[in-house]
Amino acid sequence: DAKTTQPPSMDCAEGRAANLPCNHSTISGNEYVYWYRQIHSQGPQYIIHGLKNNETNEMASLIITEDRKSSTLILPHATLRDTAVYYCIVRLPQAGTALIFGKGTTLSVSS
Amino acid sequence: DVKVTQSSRYLVKRTGEKVFLECVQDMDHENMFWYRQDPGLGLRLIYFSYDVKMKEKGDIPEGYSVSREKKERFSLILESASTNQTSMYLCASSQDGVNQPQHFGDGTRLSIL
Repeated sequence: DAKTTQPPSMDCAEGRAANLPCNHSTISGNEYVYWYRQIHSQGPQYIIHGLKNNETNEMASLIITEDRKSSTLILPHATLRDTAVYYCIVRLPQAGTALIFGKGTTLSVSS
Repeated sequence: DVKVTQSSRYLVKRTGEKVFLECVQDMDHENMFWYRQDPGLGLRLIYFSYDVKMKEKGDIPEGYSVSREKKERFSLILESASTNQTSMYLCASSQDGVNQPQHFGDGTRLSIL
């Protein structure tokens, strides 16, 4: 799986959009970008994933650059409950393989 | 919404005990996983199962076994608990097929005294 680089921490005001970047310059053509988050003392929560097109669901939007070397997770209206560690993962679409989390980005949302 | 339920949020056991951690998912997923999460070590895969009665070792299976008698339920067994098995245990499930995400339970924080 390709390596990812994320900033260690970010701050966001409640109600504003949170834009979390991820660099994955060594991504290969068939690797997907996945985003998870983990709120303190809870299990990881799946957010969104994509291959090359931008994706949107009820939680977030995922913007992948045309060269696929980086992506941005967008939480359109951050709330205090979005405070968590966010993990960007690049991996082949193989069922039954382990997820490998890096250090992630700690997002702090404040009022 | 996918629901993965782990039987206990917190558990305290003694060394040498046989410990059972239970996980149930309600989405008819084929694949189920057991991980442990430790500070500085991230997620590590213990075992996974891709079908009833089928199992595969992950990266750290020593000291553990698993059971999957029904599709919705995946159990992790610590045969003889030791203090180095104190950890957060996470169960996950996923549909079969390419690019299907894994969905996690809330975890069991297990302390072995």
